[in-house]
Amino acid sequence: ILNVEQSPQSLHVQEGDSTNFTCSFPSSNFYALHWYRWETAKSPEALFVMTLNGDEKKKGRISATLNTKEGYSYLYIKGSQPEDSATYLCAPSSYNTDKLIFGTGTRLQVFP
Amino acid sequence: GAVVSQHPSWVICKSGTSVKIECRSLDFQATTMFWYRQFPKQSLMLMATSNEGSKATYEQGVEKDKFLINHASLTLSTLTVTSAHPEDSSFYICSAPPGGSTDTQYFGPGTRLTVL
Repeated sequence: ILNVEQSPQSLHVQEGDSTNFTCSFPSSNFYALHWYRWETAKSPEALFVMTLNGDEKKKGRISATLNTKEGYSYLYIKGSQPEDSATYLCAPSSYNTDKLIFGTGTRLQVFP
Repeated sequence: GAVVSQHPSWVICKSGTSVKIECRSLDFQATTMFWYRQFPKQSLMLMATSNEGSKATYEQGVEKDKFLINHASLTLSTLTVTSAHPEDSSFYICSAPPGGSTDTQYFGPGTRLTVL
């Protein structure tokens, strides 16, 4: 899998705003899509692993959807809080490989 | 969740010296670990897959003799940057999947290497 793109590169929102960002990836040979949250000076934290087309996962105020046929995933944050400020990374993996190919990430800053 | 530690968290060394970075899975065994490198304002780039008891698998463009990987036990993988040069200065981070190679990967906190 090559060319994993995430948009936007950065995002500044006010506390309470809802936001979303996109991960685009080649759909051929797709196996799973991973989302991570990476806060400054901490380890990247796993948010979701998604495999099925049309899948939707939720963790608190964060949810994600997956379209494997067209090769994209959306991450939504409802009612953003300052503690949501982080870089959000997506990484698809392919069949017959254990490698994750990371996108460049979306850097989110939530202002109080 | 599973915990992965990395040591040291930062290191400064002189050009020409070798630096060893350790990656440990603290509460699970990992037959596979991954080493990534992050260049400024870029994403995590996979360098190699560390396999317990066998040779590491390197990604295209990564020099095997430059970045030596050893995975001698089920909880420890080491990355040695040999004869480091300023261009090797970077952020190195490891990960391990507790449930198998296609499972969620848990990351260490990373190591910032600065070569003078």
